[in-house]
Amino acid sequence: NAGVTQTPKFQVLKTGQSMTLQCAQDMNHNSMYWYRQDPGMGLRLIYYSASEGTTDKGEVPNGYNVSRLNKREFSLRLESAAPSQTSVYFCASSTLGNEQFFGPGTRLTVL
Amino acid sequence: DQQVKQNSPSLSVQEGRISILNCDYTNSMFDYFLWYKKYPAEGPTFLISISSIKDKNEDGRFTVFLNKSAKHLSLHIVPSQPGDSAVYFCAASAAYNDMRFGAGTRLTVKP
Repeated sequence: NAGVTQTPKFQVLKTGQSMTLQCAQDMNHNSMYWYRQDPGMGLRLIYYSASEGTTDKGEVPNGYNVSRLNKREFSLRLESAAPSQTSVYFCASSTLGNEQFFGPGTRLTVL
Repeated sequence: DQQVKQNSPSLSVQEGRISILNCDYTNSMFDYFLWYKKYPAEGPTFLISISSIKDKNEDGRFTVFLNKSAKHLSLHIVPSQPGDSAVYFCAASAAYNDMRFGAGTRLTVKP
């Protein structure tokens, strides 16, 4: 039982490049989330998926897209990376109404 | 606009003493509150939660207190142990999928 896994762990991009962050969970959770963590800001919700086939914007969705590929997988895509997207990205999953379980994070630097 | 605030960026306590971490919120619609603990290079892990119908919830050494009239919650750790040294995030939600986090408090427990 791996919980929530994220790939890659680290990534460096140049401004304008694109990339996809992958997330998978094996806890049979319906809901999945993407957050970013910046110094002094806590975690901010980018997008979430309440169930397979649905996605909704969170607090800071601009510059990102998501795909809920199936119940297990939820990916986050940066189409044209900007330095302001330098951050640590966390994926999480939960059963609705319960606490969220987080992955180990992806540290992204955009030059 | 940060709806959840942790005004103390850091806290240092002696092993065996009580640690009290504080959190304030502005949105009166929040009805579910959580504390997460985070070690470096790991994702946050759930610690304890409380719903708005309660004013106290206890789990071993950890107790969360909620004062709805003051829009304030606190986490008490008794007795504090060196392994408790981590960053603690307060979180709150009005709809289960839209969770807002505070900026975190770094707790250091000295042996």
